Amino acid sequence: KAGVTQTPRYLIKTRGQQVTLSCSPISGHRSVSWYQQTPGQGLQFLFEYFSETQRNKGNFPGRFSGRQFSNSRSEMNVSTLELGDSALYLCASSLAGGYEQFFGPGTRLTVL
Amino acid sequence: GIQVEQSPPDLILQEGANSTLRCNFSDSVNNLQWFHQNPWGQLINLFYIPSGTKQNGRLSATTVATERYSLLYISSSQTTDSGVYFCADTNTGNQFYFGTGTSLTVIP
Repeated sequence: KAGVTQTPRYLIKTRGQQVTLSCSPISGHRSVSWYQQTPGQGLQFLFEYFSETQRNKGNFPGRFSGRQFSNSRSEMNVSTLELGDSALYLCASSLAGGYEQFFGPGTRLTVL
Repeated sequence: GIQVEQSPPDLILQEGANSTLRCNFSDSVNNLQWFHQNPWGQLINLFYIPSGTKQNGRLSATTVATERYSLLYISSSQTTDSGVYFCADTNTGNQFYFGTGTSLTVIP
């Protein structure tokens, strides 16, 4: 069974631009969560989607948004990029809430 | 949210040595997992262990849910074990709360 995939793996953007990241979960998994990892803040939860609905949201500004499609693939969007958005963005999939989660390889975003 | 404390923050071992990493949780254990983050950033699942003991090769883990802690044992460490180890647990939803990690360096 294929693992969680994320595209692109690397991105370089400039301040003020927007970016869209994609995550394809393990086949059969319906929950997708997104996390941001930075050296200063560690791993922080962004949001979780289940059956195309956002179930949980972390403490991030409205510039961070996401969605989930009927095939469980998820995208997250960051608008008006700031230097502080430079980070590794990880997505995780699970069957549903309360199950083991599996992470993708991440997208490394650099904002110049 | 859940507070997760990991210790020690850093660990340097000679190849072949054993080690124990610990996680303490501020709330009841729900879906505790241990991960190893590889040099490229991917979190590799080591154990899903909300309670009890599991073993996988040289690695084993024990969670004592009633006392809100978990231990990861690495025996006969190898240089490939180097990296950062995270524990995490979810709240009643599906949101992971991560510890700050233990950075392990294994010296040949």
